[in-house]
Amino acid sequence: SQQGEEDPQALSIQEGENATMNCSYKTSINNLQWYRQNSGRGLVHLILIRSNEREKHSGRLRVTLDTSKKSSSLLITASRAADTASYFCATDATGNTGKLIFGQGTTLQVKP
Amino acid sequence: DARVTQTPRHKVTEMGQEVTMRCQPILGHNTVFWYRQTMMQGLELLAYFRNRAPLDDSGMPKDRFSAEMPDATLATLKIQPSEPRDSAVYFCASGSNSGPQYFGPGTRLTVL
Repeated sequence: SQQGEEDPQALSIQEGENATMNCSYKTSINNLQWYRQNSGRGLVHLILIRSNEREKHSGRLRVTLDTSKKSSSLLITASRAADTASYFCATDATGNTGKLIFGQGTTLQVKP
Repeated sequence: DARVTQTPRHKVTEMGQEVTMRCQPILGHNTVFWYRQTMMQGLELLAYFRNRAPLDDSGMPKDRFSAEMPDATLATLKIQPSEPRDSAVYFCASGSNSGPQYFGPGTRLTVL
């Protein structure tokens, strides 16, 4: 069964707007990670948030983690056309020692 | 700039043929993962190794798939015999313990 489920499945916004993607998971985790995948490419790691952290920033990215609700969100501020990609959350479940379970992803389209 | 490399990038073969995909992980990473990505199933973990020892290959069809790490610089994924349903993009990723994973560009496999 899927550990991470993203919502929405697809998102289309105008350049300059913010994009928010959500991820829910089922079991307790060591950390949660977000990845980006451009069409035809491998996944690229964006940010990792540990289970004892609630919020993390990296440039225009902001990630929150609510372990009581087993959910996370990725916010991309001031989006650019180059942010067009699929975004995946992945969970490193407690005891799994590095094995990540990926969700189905959110496809983001940023229109110029 | 250290990267995971994969060969071949594209492979077209006929049903029943053997397929071997190769991966060179980033030097110093102790964990190597093999994933398969399709539109229908998303990203699936097939197998992973830590310090060259197989940790989990439960995601891999055992009758036709095999994964090995003959040395620290090479991981292989073999399919014998291949079937049309094996058509997918196969990614290798490497990392250290529970940190980020670094993905290769993938091998796009088409089995006719």
